Amino acid sequence: SFELTQPPSVSLSPGQTAIITCSGDLLGDRHVSWYQQKPGQSPVLLMYQDSKRPSGIPERFSASNSGSTATLTISGTQALDEADYYCQAWDRGTDVVFGGGTKLTVL
Amino acid sequence: QVQLVESGGGVVQPGRSLRLSCAASAFTLGNYAMHWVRQAPGKGLEWVAFISYDGSDEYYAHSVEGRFTVSRENSKNSLYLQINSLRVEDTAVYYCAREAGSSLDNWGQGTLVADSS
Repeated sequence: SFELTQPPSVSLSPGQTAIITCSGDLLGDRHVSWYQQKPGQSPVLLMYQDSKRPSGIPERFSASNSGSTATLTISGTQALDEADYYCQAWDRGTDVVFGGGTKLTVL
Repeated sequence: QVQLVESGGGVVQPGRSLRLSCAASAFTLGNYAMHWVRQAPGKGLEWVAFISYDGSDEYYAHSVEGRFTVSRENSKNSLYLQINSLRVEDTAVYYCAREAGSSLDNWGQGTLVADSS
């Protein structure tokens, strides 16, 4: 079955650039979305169709998808970016698949 | 703005049934496919079920197929998830989410389903 793999955690200091990866078989052939979930809150759509930002999402968030890896980049990471991040794609056109999630810690 | 409000969660004995509801507002539910996604305590997101905009197609995760049924009443702006034969591993917060293209662009606040064991 199709699976998405993310690193469990990423830690960095404020102002640094966070890079969160999501890998899956031929992932570049699918559209990838990213979600941000802060403690006690519902997930929020962060990026869609690989690299598009919904309205209201800051420009410091960007993403790409090629080959077998999708990447979420957070430039100038802020303390308020501390959250869990999930990638998502579709399998067989019918099933939604989420990555295991990456906990971003801003030290 | 778009709002999705889940209800119907609670503490249930294993083997029993439960029906979750999701009330949609500020958009026309009948124009959108919808999903249920769950999150076990301290765990990641797990997709549960999909229903097409008109209810003609349904898809389920293998872990719930045959026990869960998704349905909708567009005239009432409502989405449902019938959970039968509840298992311990079904304990989670259940979210309804609106599909937009290949993404889930709006999520409810979730409703907690827990087994009583």
